[in-house]
Formats: sequence, C-alpha cells, structure tokens
Amino acid sequence: GAVVSQHPSWVICKSGTSVKIECRSLDFQATTMFWYRQFPKQSLMLMATSNEGSKATYEQGVEKDKFLINHASLTLSTLTVTSAHPEDSSFYICSARDFSSMNTEAFFGQGTRLTVV
Amino acid sequence: DAKTTQPPSMDCAEGRAANLPCNHSTISGNEYVYWYRQIHSQGPQYIIHGLKNNETNEMASLIITEDRKSSTLILPHATLRDTAVYYCIVAGGSYIPTFGRGTSLIVHP
Repeated sequence: GAVVSQHPSWVICKSGTSVKIECRSLDFQATTMFWYRQFPKQSLMLMATSNEGSKATYEQGVEKDKFLINHASLTLSTLTVTSAHPEDSSFYICSARDFSSMNTEAFFGQGTRLTVV
Repeated sequence: DAKTTQPPSMDCAEGRAANLPCNHSTISGNEYVYWYRQIHSQGPQYIIHGLKNNETNEMASLIITEDRKSSTLILPHATLRDTAVYYCIVAGGSYIPTFGRGTSLIVHP
C-alpha cells in the first residue's frame, strides 16, 4: 500500500521555541493531507486539513497562528508548532489520501512525539 | 454525533479468531465502512473497507449485515501483535478520517 513518512519520530524542545514536523507521501501525490493530535489515552483529534497550494482548513478551537501548516508540493506538508509550551506536548500524526485513484483508504505517518520542556 | 458504536475493550486468546463488532444504524446508502487500527505509539493502519458485500484481505475479513446497520471485523488467527485499538469509521468516498474511541483489543497468550 501507499506510504506516508513523517519526520521526526520524536522531538524534545524548549518552551518558547518552534518545531517543524514533515509529512511526505512517498509513492503517490497527495493533494490533501490531514493533521491530527493525540493526547495519552485519547483518540486522534483532527486539527486541520492541508490542501496543496492553498491555505489549510483548521478545526474549531485549533489556533492557526500557532500551528502553521504549509503544503507547498503534492508530496510534502509541514506542521510548525510555534512558541511551543508544555501543554503542546502530544503525539502528532499526519495522513494522506490519494484522491486521484479509486482507492479510498487513508494512509498515516508513524507519528511524531513532541515533548516541550 | 457518533456515527458508530464499538465496545470499549475486548480480549482474545492468541491463535483464536477475534471478532470486533461495530454498530452503524444511521449509515446512508453511499457510505462505506472502514476499519483502521492503531498499535501503541504508532500511526493508524488501514485494515479493510466495504460497502455492502463481505470483504477479505490478507489482514482480516469484514462482514456487513444485510441491512448494513452493523458490521464485524474478523481477525482469523489473532497474534500478540494484533493488540491495538481498532476503529470503525463510516463515511462517504470523499471522507476525512475522524476517529471515535474505538475498541481496545488485547490478545493474550
């Protein structure tokens, strides 16, 4: 099946700094990617939908100025957590679908564990 | 507004079949049933999906009732590595994957 690669797998950063997470579709073009956040013992929460060449669509309650999303190419979307604080510590996961194919399943990255100290 | 209902947890003996139920009584005619699973500290993994016919692949079988109001994911010979949270999602073809609480399956020796 299609592969979505996420980098880094884990990151520790100091409070107030910014962290960038990359999400790549390796063998298909992803016009749309999705970003999720997952806190311990909870389900995945959709943060935003990332569209290639246009602004991302954020879910209610997600600060777009804090979670900057860039989808500059058909194979790469990035999520930047700006001015990170300890409460931003979480598991961030990206997903992509190949809307050009008949397949409708979504593929997920391996996730990024962010710890803000 | 939950579209699906799943038991919060189940357990299964290694080597036995794991049957995970999902209720989706409000499913509409053009909506599919998708199953994903998430092993601890990993991203979710697609398992299988179907519209109305039963489906089988190398990972699992999906049995959908005739009225489509419920389905069962079957792992025919569960292994310890199948321990995960299993999510049932009902959506149309252009869906954005959204997750409920899922079923935490524990496979024990």
